[in-house]
Amino acid sequence: QQQVKQSPQSLIVQKGGISIINCAYENTAFDYFPWYQQFPGKGPALLIAIRPDVSEKKEGRFTISFNKSAKQFSLHIMDSQPGDSATYFCAASARRQGNEKLTFGTGTRLTIIP
Amino acid sequence: DAGVTQSPTHLIKTRGQQVTLRCSPKSGHDTVSWYQQALGQGPQFIFQYYEEEERQRGNFPDRFSGHQFPNYSSELNVNALLLGDSALYLCASSLGLGLNTEAFFGQGTRLTVV
Repeated sequence: QQQVKQSPQSLIVQKGGISIINCAYENTAFDYFPWYQQFPGKGPALLIAIRPDVSEKKEGRFTISFNKSAKQFSLHIMDSQPGDSATYFCAASARRQGNEKLTFGTGTRLTIIP
Repeated sequence: DAGVTQSPTHLIKTRGQQVTLRCSPKSGHDTVSWYQQALGQGPQFIFQYYEEEERQRGNFPDRFSGHQFPNYSSELNVNALLLGDSALYLCASSLGLGLNTEAFFGQGTRLTVV
């Protein structure tokens, strides 16, 4: 059962534009939502994470928006650059239940074009 | 500060053989989790080790087993390899358990079963 649905599967954005990737979850016990960036041949790197007690978290050009009632969260990349071209994964876990397991979305391949 | 290191980086095995993958956690981390990432998919949780014990396990058969050593490093063993076991195997480390832990991934071991 896929508990985290991610869209779109692929995304092409012009340099300087805003990249938006969306995720939806089913398990209401999820209480930790990280985003990972993965380059070809590399492991995922933690980008930014949010907990459901806040609706938005910003770190540099990266922002997570969180809608608890809709069970959705999204990643916004402002002023997108060619170096941002990578695969992005959302994930979730239920920490308060003692569940450290990360459930990942299927990934979004982002391409930034000049 | 060394990050999560995994060895080997690439491995080719024959169907039916056994394989051992190794992981050294990030300095100061004591918890290790293993994930399997099939091509074009998000990582899938295999199991987690803390205090040298398997603490959580995902939906993987008993052919997948592991171990954590007193220095917190870990091994993943897969017996009776199947073609479908071909994947990138990722190790993630974190400090302790609970709400504020963050998982950092290694570069992975690419296993090919022929």
